[in-house]
Amino acid sequence: ELKVEQNPLFLSMQEGKNYTIYCNYSTTSDRLYWYRQDPGKSLESLFVLLSNGAVKQEGRLMASLDTKARLSTLHITAAVHDLSATYFCAVDIHTGANSKLTFGKGITLSVRP
Amino acid sequence: GAGVSQTPSNKVTEKGKYVELRCDPISGHTALYWYRQSLGQGPEFLIYFQGTGAADDSGLPNDRFFAVRPEGSVSTLKIQRTERGDSAVYLCASSLGLAGTSQYFGPGTRLTVL
Repeated sequence: ELKVEQNPLFLSMQEGKNYTIYCNYSTTSDRLYWYRQDPGKSLESLFVLLSNGAVKQEGRLMASLDTKARLSTLHITAAVHDLSATYFCAVDIHTGANSKLTFGKGITLSVRP
Repeated sequence: GAGVSQTPSNKVTEKGKYVELRCDPISGHTALYWYRQSLGQGPEFLIYFQGTGAADDSGLPNDRFFAVRPEGSVSTLKIQRTERGDSAVYLCASSLGLAGTSQYFGPGTRLTVL
């Protein structure tokens, strides 16, 4: 059974500083997704990582995938309050067009002044 | 364009009752997914449709849960004899159905079973 672990589960960040959060998974996969969820809202797609060494950047967020280590990282540069939310990673172990995401528990980020 | 829509946004029912939750995917998306999210958890996969057929229903917890997508667009998740443990947010997502494409989520239906 695929297990997806995220750590830490909660992170208090200081505005302007850099941070990295992690997503580990237990079974071989080269398809990993990052989503953001604001309180009471649905999930917003952030990144799709589809190969070993894939790196995607959007604004202050940069995601990367190491399929050999079964690890994805989400790096936050110069945190700002707008980044406060819960971030989920999800792994897809299906092949071809089939898809079935297994999510981690999420990491809740809180940015303080 | 319009995103994934779900109705109702909230549903309160009594234990033992039957409920139907509806999902309208993004136009042109052939793949449709149902997930369930409990408080403080990530979404949990329930079922996946490619077109009209259920390609993978391995996440349905038991035979009280059933989902249909008769014309390959709108889908309905049906729960019979609801139990208090069914209370959660039920999320629908759709995608183009191509390998590695992102799933786009709807706002969810919050189900409360009293």
